[in-house]
Amino acid sequence: GAGVSQSPSNKVTEKGKDVELRCDPISGHTALYWYRQSLGQGLEFLIYFQGNSAPDKSGLPSDRFSAERTGGSVSTLTIQRTQQEDSAVYLCASSLSGTGIAKNIQYFGAGTRLSVL
Amino acid sequence: ELKVEQNPLFLSMQEGKNYTIYCNYSTTSDRLYWYRQDPGKSLESLFVLLSNGAVKQEGRLMASLDTKARLSTLHITAAVHDLSATYFCAVDITGGTSYGKLTFGQGTILTVHP
Repeated sequence: GAGVSQSPSNKVTEKGKDVELRCDPISGHTALYWYRQSLGQGLEFLIYFQGNSAPDKSGLPSDRFSAERTGGSVSTLTIQRTQQEDSAVYLCASSLSGTGIAKNIQYFGAGTRLSVL
Repeated sequence: ELKVEQNPLFLSMQEGKNYTIYCNYSTTSDRLYWYRQDPGKSLESLFVLLSNGAVKQEGRLMASLDTKARLSTLHITAAVHDLSATYFCAVDITGGTSYGKLTFGQGTILTVHP
């Protein structure tokens, strides 16, 4: 597709359940990012992938959060034992990597709105 | 810790008026982005500012960067209803060497009234 695709667009779950959020980046983009957008905290960085490895996981809020990327393409963000404070919009972005003006512009998906009841 | 602060957070404008959104940040950076977000939609890249004194313009929007003051501005000229959205500035302190870890401002919700 032409843009970053995320699924599902909305997810309602019960407290304590695990959820998986998917991101399909722009073809050819080697860098992939996850952010979280919530009313109280704004937009926060979670994790960065270069290819299949994650050199920066510094934004993951707890060990209940994990992410992987396979084939240098699709990424999955998994939240285990969800809590109500995990309710937010989870945004994925991708970019070309390396130096240069265009290579670090991040293109965002529409997000997954997660509601934990 | 890098802090990025926008003001105002809420801006109600009449069509045809001019206004400026300010973005202050606390750590040296020479890479600043402006994004627009419509309700329920993705973030759309507006401007990339890469050096002190950089100025970019697109339509009724103009962005500038003063790295010495750690300040960026987004100026709106003769506002129209279609500009109603939330505007975010984001700062990259990784130096753009290999990846862009963005720290976002709180966002400015702009509403343009007839």
